[in-house]
Amino acid sequence: QVQLQQWGAGLLKPSETLSLTCDVSGGSFSAYYWSWIRQSPGTRLEWIGEVWPSGNTHYNPSLKSRVTISVETTKDQFSLKLTSVTAADTAVYYCARTTLVRTFDLWGQGTMVTVSS
Amino acid sequence: DIQMTQSPFTLSASVGDRVTISCRASDSVNDWLAWYQQRPGKAPELLINKVSKLESGVPSRFSGSGTGTEFTLTISSLQPDDFATYYCQQYRTFPWTFGQGTKVEMK
Repeated sequence: QVQLQQWGAGLLKPSETLSLTCDVSGGSFSAYYWSWIRQSPGTRLEWIGEVWPSGNTHYNPSLKSRVTISVETTKDQFSLKLTSVTAADTAVYYCARTTLVRTFDLWGQGTMVTVSS
Repeated sequence: DIQMTQSPFTLSASVGDRVTISCRASDSVNDWLAWYQQRPGKAPELLINKVSKLESGVPSRFSGSGTGTEFTLTISSLQPDDFATYYCQQYRTFPWTFGQGTKVEMK
């Protein structure tokens, strides 16, 4: 049974870098894409970007200048870095398994990240 | 970006009710439309892909329909486990986008 477990710092100051990691256990890492998605309080889900096992990435243009998603295939893990955070980046961040057609069929438990001075 | 708009924002219903949620896309997404269910404090779960294809384990009381820009999620007989927020998502055009959600609450 595939499971996604994510972790990272939950409280940041403005201008700092958000850093989260997602561990995929139970197999299938090389057969899927892997995404980060966030959900700000009271707002819709926002797809941040995806990484392929090969290391290829695609980012939402709205965040592209600040986002880096990387993959560590030897560990079946992928990571998110978001630079220069502001209060607008306060959200629950999810990692998600991404099918080849781009639905999200398995999610991590979510990490609440708060940006506050 | 393709904008996804759901209606209503909130829906009050009782166990046993037939419930319908609408999702409209700002441009055609053909049939590249998915639905998710999110319970409070939990991650979303994929219910339906390709407009009407139920994911494994999803009860048959859930169904989806539509094409192009207009889509509907129907719950034929609402069960206690179904009180949650539902999101549509288009995956025809990058970047992949979601609706703002419809909360199904107890009347």
